This record gives sequence, C-alpha cells and structure tokens, in this order.
Amino acid sequence: TQLLEQSPQFLSIQEGENLTVYCNSSSVFSSLQWYRQEPGEGPVLLVTVVTGGEVKKLKRLTFQFGDARKDSSLHITAAQPGDTGLYLCAGGSDGGSQGNLIFGKGTKLSVKP
Amino acid sequence: DADVTQTPRNRITKTGKRIMLECSQTKGHDRMYWYRQDPGLGLRLIYYSFDVKDINKGEISDGYSVSRQAQAKFSLSLESAIPNQTALYFCATRDGTASTDTQYFGPGTRLTVL
Repeated sequence: TQLLEQSPQFLSIQEGENLTVYCNSSSVFSSLQWYRQEPGEGPVLLVTVVTGGEVKKLKRLTFQFGDARKDSSLHITAAQPGDTGLYLCAGGSDGGSQGNLIFGKGTKLSVKP
Repeated sequence: DADVTQTPRNRITKTGKRIMLECSQTKGHDRMYWYRQDPGLGLRLIYYSFDVKDINKGEISDGYSVSRQAQAKFSLSLESAIPNQTALYFCATRDGTASTDTQYFGPGTRLTVL
C-alpha cells in the first residue's frame, strides 16, 4: 500500500518567517502535486512536479521533487497571513492504482500577523 | 464560473434520511471522483468513475452509492444517513488522457447528520 507522510502536521509561525513542509514515501511516484485548501473550500492545485530533482517556483513558494521521486518539499519564504491554510501533497502512479492519487493528511499552516 | 460545482454547499439532515449530493463540471474531463474529508484522516476516496459506464468503489464505499448521469455529472447518495457520515464531501475531476494524475476539486459540501 502506498502512503504519503506529511510533516509537520501543524505549523504556527509569525509573518515574515520561512518554513518547509515535507512529503515522504517509500514508494516511487510518477508525479507529485501540491494543493492548498482554505477553510470551507476545496483543495486548489498549486503545482505538479514530474521529474526527479525538479524545482518549481511560484512567487514565494518553492517546490522540489526528490531525485528518486519518493519525496517532495514545499518551502515558503517570508510567510504572510494569506498563506494560512491546509497544504496537501498527492502522488500519482502513472496508471498504477488506476491512476488515482494518494493523498497525504496535510499540514495545517497558521501565519500570524 | 467555477469549473467544478457542487450542490448543496451545506446540508443538515437526520439519521435515516436519503441524501443526494450533486457534482457538475465544465472541464470536459472524463474521470470524476467523490471524496470525504475528516479532521486528522485526510481525503478518502469513496467512488470514482472513468466514464459514464465505468463506476468503481474506493476505499470507503459502504453506505454510499453513485450515479454518473452524463460525462459532466456525478452524484453521490447516502441511502440512509448516519451520524458518522458527517463530513466534508468533495467532488474532483481529471483528464484521463493527460500525462499527469492531477485532479481538480469542487468547493465541497458540508454534510451534518443529526
């Protein structure tokens, strides 16, 4: 059974601080997506990474896919209150599991002004 | 307009009632999914459909049924609601021909069963 472990589960920081969220597995994924979810809303796709070692940047957010495609990280620079939300990683298996995504349980981020 | 819509957004019902949650999409995707989200448990797959004639059970399908009325519509039914089905329910879609498994989510339905 494929599992994705996210850490930390909760993170509370002050505005301006940097943070990193991790998503780890013993399984290889063909793609890894990161979503952000605000209270009362559905997850919104932030990025998809597909190549081992790939780094993608989205303004102050930097996403990295591990060389072996088993892990990923999300780094936020100079966090702002608007970054508050639940961050979910999800792995795809390129047809395995019938192409269904495996989700981590999420990291709940709170950025205080 | 949103690509994936869900109705209703909020619903309160009583134990034993039949409930239907509806999902519509304008993305033209062939695959559709129903998940529930509970605190600490993450997103769990209830049912998924690869096209109108292809319906599959997910990891927690007991107590639920689905209907794919058209490529754009996928509804979830609780035949006899029970309190532990209180949760956030999300519909998602995916382009089955795409090179990645990326899914796109609706805004969710908050269901409370009393």
